[in-house]
Amino acid sequence: DTEVTQTPKHLVMGMTNKKSLKCEQHMGHRAMYWYKQKAKKPPELMFVYSYEKLSINESVPSRFSPECPNSSLLNLHLHALQPEDSALYLCASSQPGRELTYEQYFGPGTRLTVT
Amino acid sequence: KNEVEQSPQNLTAQEGEFITINCSYSVGISALHWLQQHPGGGIVSLFMLSSGKKKHGRLIATINIQEKHSSLHITASHPRDSAVYICAVKRASGTYKYIFGTGTRLKVLA
Repeated sequence: DTEVTQTPKHLVMGMTNKKSLKCEQHMGHRAMYWYKQKAKKPPELMFVYSYEKLSINESVPSRFSPECPNSSLLNLHLHALQPEDSALYLCASSQPGRELTYEQYFGPGTRLTVT
Repeated sequence: KNEVEQSPQNLTAQEGEFITINCSYSVGISALHWLQQHPGGGIVSLFMLSSGKKKHGRLIATINIQEKHSSLHITASHPRDSAVYICAVKRASGTYKYIFGTGTRLKVLA
């Protein structure tokens, strides 16, 4: 199984809402990632978890709160978002560590619209 | 100047044509990935290269580490190949982070 799944596929939320994005993988990967992608731009790394611990936070605003409850699951909790946060949110996973040849497997993404 | 440059930015081809997408980078790397992103979002990993050449079906990827250049070739292109192709590298210093190119938007017409 080389699949990363993400739910929901689409999400529309108001600026006062609280919602969560979910990501799951069963490849035994111990590194998981959140990316944000705006239209016609490459993905931007937001967070990296390694062995369920936050390893990298790319200075992401606190209205985005990641959580890795176990080695297969990764959540992104959203609160008080702004319209400019509307984007495609991609989850990825890989073998852990900074080894150069560990490739990342991406999920299909969640298309988020903030109204 | 971006550390990873792709060319062309946009490409329209007729079905059956041979297609080449180029990626040049300015940093020391040990791995380069070619990714495919269809409209609607999901990213698929096509190849990971650290040297030489790889082939999978109609896709061929090459890399020249000395020249800091990689190419992705599609033989006998098909409309289902229409997608954005992204080159991503990892610095030789060791990192979780990809440096992404800006992507090549390919449209193959029937």
